[in-house]
Amino acid sequence: QKEVEQNSGPLSVPEGAIASLNCTYSDRGSQSFFWYRQYSGKSPELIMSIYSNGDKEDGRFTAQLNKASQYVSLLIRDSQPSDSATYLCAVSRDQGAQKLVFGQGTRLTINP
Amino acid sequence: GAGVSQTPSNKVTEKGKYVELRCDPISGHTALYWYRQSLGQGPEFLIYFQGTGAADDSGLPNDRFFAVRPEGSVSTLKIQRTERGDSAVYLCASSLVGSPRETQYFGPGTRLLVL
Repeated sequence: QKEVEQNSGPLSVPEGAIASLNCTYSDRGSQSFFWYRQYSGKSPELIMSIYSNGDKEDGRFTAQLNKASQYVSLLIRDSQPSDSATYLCAVSRDQGAQKLVFGQGTRLTINP
Repeated sequence: GAGVSQTPSNKVTEKGKYVELRCDPISGHTALYWYRQSLGQGPEFLIYFQGTGAADDSGLPNDRFFAVRPEGSVSTLKIQRTERGDSAVYLCASSLVGSPRETQYFGPGTRLLVL
């Protein structure tokens, strides 16, 4: 079993709809959870971090964490073509300097 | 301010050769990380520096891989006797230790191709 699992996609969503990305992790000691966006040929860029159960909203993005189910998700509202990218879920046991364990990423395509 | 920079951006080498990959972190960032990303996969942790010392090198795949950060700033990842399986994008990230909920900022990566 991989430490962090994501559906590799591709996930295709019409413009203006909600894109839902999911991630599960195996280490119950995980404390910090991140979503990175990676455009093709570019480096990962942090878009959301979440540390406690529940929802965290930032603009069009909402991260959801359920530690009991070992599940993290990212919702993107009002999806735009510029949201088309690979979304990487990353998990860490630490709250400080962090060794990140990444999932394989979900490729998201927003169709105009 | 300047972000994380990495050189070279691309490196092509032959099997068995030695390569060095350089990372220049964001000024003032004390933590530095190396990851490796193969095509279609997420980044895989290699090593983490806190200042000059390697705090965690558990991700280095074998003793052909070595990294240094002698002055606590620039880091060099060294790969001896390269193999075709070493071909990947090598990513460097840095973070400010002690900042609230530290964030790792990634550099553009070095694409290594071993022929």
